[in-house]
Amino acid sequence: QKEVEQNSGPLSVPEGAIASLNCTYSDRGSQSFFWYRQYSGKSPELIMSIYSNGDKEDGRFTAQLNKASQYVSLLIRDSQPSDSATYLCAAFRDTGRRALTFGSGTRLQVQP
Amino acid sequence: DTEVTQTPKHLVMGMTNKKSLKCEQHMGHRAMYWYKQKAKKPPELMFVYSYEKLSINESVPSRFSPECPNSSLLNLHLHALQPEDSALYLCASSRSGTRGQETQYFGPGTRLLVL
Repeated sequence: QKEVEQNSGPLSVPEGAIASLNCTYSDRGSQSFFWYRQYSGKSPELIMSIYSNGDKEDGRFTAQLNKASQYVSLLIRDSQPSDSATYLCAAFRDTGRRALTFGSGTRLQVQP
Repeated sequence: DTEVTQTPKHLVMGMTNKKSLKCEQHMGHRAMYWYKQKAKKPPELMFVYSYEKLSINESVPSRFSPECPNSSLLNLHLHALQPEDSALYLCASSRSGTRGQETQYFGPGTRLLVL
């Protein structure tokens, strides 16, 4: 079992719709979670970080964390073609091996 | 400012060459990271430096040699690489590795081709 799992996609949504990206993690020592966006050939760009259960909103982006279910999600409202990219979910554990573990990424395609 | 810079942007090297990748940040971050990323795969951690000391080496072959000369600089020395080492090499930094300060910011990467 991978430590951080994501559906590889592609997830295709029409322009203006809500895109919902999901991620599960297996290591209960993970306490911090991150969403990165990566365009083809470019480096990952931080979109959101979340540490506590519940929702965190930033503009068109909302991250959700449920530690009991070991589930993290990212909602993108009013999706734009420029949101088309691979979204990487990452978990950081606070003890022991302190390093980010990435999921394999979900490719999002926003259709104009 | 969350800028991490990396040089060079592109590098082509033969299997007998020695080259170095450079990474720099001026955000006062005390943790720096090297990742390797192959096409359509997530970044794969190679090394972590925390307060200029190597804290994680993910069993990387010795043909990759990291160096952290000071808190702002991170180098990756390359020697006798193989074609399968061709990849995007990413540097990242964070304030530290402690909780709440581990948000990592990535540089633009060095695209390496080994012939």
